[in-house]
Amino acid sequence: KNEVEQSPQNLTAQEGEFITINCSYSVGISALHWLQQHPGGGIVSLFMLSSGKKKHGRLIATINIQEKHSSLHITASHPRDSAVYICAAIPTDKLIFGTGTRLQVFP
Amino acid sequence: DAGVIQSPRHEVTEMGQEVTLRCKPISGHDYLFWYRQTMMRGLELLIYFNNNVPIDDSGMPEDRFSAKMPNASFSTLKIQPSEPRDSAVYFCASSPVTETYGYTFGSGTRLTVV
Repeated sequence: KNEVEQSPQNLTAQEGEFITINCSYSVGISALHWLQQHPGGGIVSLFMLSSGKKKHGRLIATINIQEKHSSLHITASHPRDSAVYICAAIPTDKLIFGTGTRLQVFP
Repeated sequence: DAGVIQSPRHEVTEMGQEVTLRCKPISGHDYLFWYRQTMMRGLELLIYFNNNVPIDDSGMPEDRFSAKMPNASFSTLKIQPSEPRDSAVYFCASSPVTETYGYTFGSGTRLTVV
């Protein structure tokens, strides 16, 4: 069993839909990182959080430390949100990656 | 800041050749990480440095791989001799304080060994 599990693995949505991607982890962490990887391959940091909730534009990330669970929400999804979303746990300094969620948003 | 800079962006080499990947972290970032991404294994940590000192190299596949950080602004990942199974995208990332500020990734080097 992976230490960091994401669901779903693949997700398709119509433009405008509300998207939720889930991440569960089994290790103790100091923080959790949400990353976005576009088809071109570059990896972009979306959020780094250790408690509560963070919001940036249409993206919202939440974490429940007691339940070892984090969610990434996208409101009013758009085709440009199509990417792979990766959560990564930080037990010490290094990242433990989830397997990623491939999101496709259709017009 | 220009971000984390990796070179080359693409590298095609023949099996058995030496390959050197380069990374310039963001100035002031104390941590530098080398990751490899493949379709089969996803993203995996190879090695990371703190203040130029290697902290954890348990992810380095074998003796063919070596990494150095001679100063705070430069790191190399070397593969000698290269093999087709080394074909992957290699990412470098840096961070000032990992659990607070997160990571900034470079654009990656796509390595193809034929």
